[in-house]
Amino acid sequence: DAKTTQPTSMDCAEGRAANLPCNHSTISGNEYVYWYRQIHSQGPQYIIHGLKNNETNEMASLIITEDRKSSTLILPHATLRDTAVYYCIVRAIIQGAQKLVFGQGTRLTINP
Amino acid sequence: ETGVTQTPRHLVMGMTNKKSLKCEQHLGHNAMYWYKQSAKKPLELMFVYNFKEQTENNSVPSRFSPECPNSSHLFLHLHTLQPEDSALYLCASSQEGGGAGQPQHFGDGTRLSIL
Repeated sequence: DAKTTQPTSMDCAEGRAANLPCNHSTISGNEYVYWYRQIHSQGPQYIIHGLKNNETNEMASLIITEDRKSSTLILPHATLRDTAVYYCIVRAIIQGAQKLVFGQGTRLTINP
Repeated sequence: ETGVTQTPRHLVMGMTNKKSLKCEQHLGHNAMYWYKQSAKKPLELMFVYNFKEQTENNSVPSRFSPECPNSSHLFLHLHTLQPEDSALYLCASSQEGGGAGQPQHFGDGTRLSIL
């Protein structure tokens, strides 16, 4: 699986957009980009995923560069409850079950 | 509510005890997973079950024994654990085979402490 690189920590003001970058320069053509987050004492929560096109759902937007070597997760109006560790994972779709490889992620702190 | 329920939420046991962790998913998924999250470490995949068959054992010591009686239930049987096995144990499920990268859904974990 392609490795990902994320900043260790970020801060964002409440109500502003939080933009979390991820580099995945060795990504292959069939590998999806997934984003999860983990709030303290809870299991990881799925946020969004994409292959080539930008994606948007009720939680966030995912912007993938044209060469697919990097992506940005956007939380449009961050709230205090968005404080969490955010994981960017690149995962190929294969026969059988998935194997997600988690890194250290980005610790996002939303400040009032 | 993620649709994946883990019990118990907290467990304290001695090194000579035998206990089991339980996971149940209400999402109709066909694959289930066990992960371990130690303090200040990333999540590590332990076991994968696809259609009730174990497809992955990520070099986990034999003192951890998984069981998947059906596609909705997953157990992790524990015996003669070591202090370094203290961690958060997370269960996840996903729907495989349809393509398009269906995500895994996680429970909130069992916090295990070995005395």
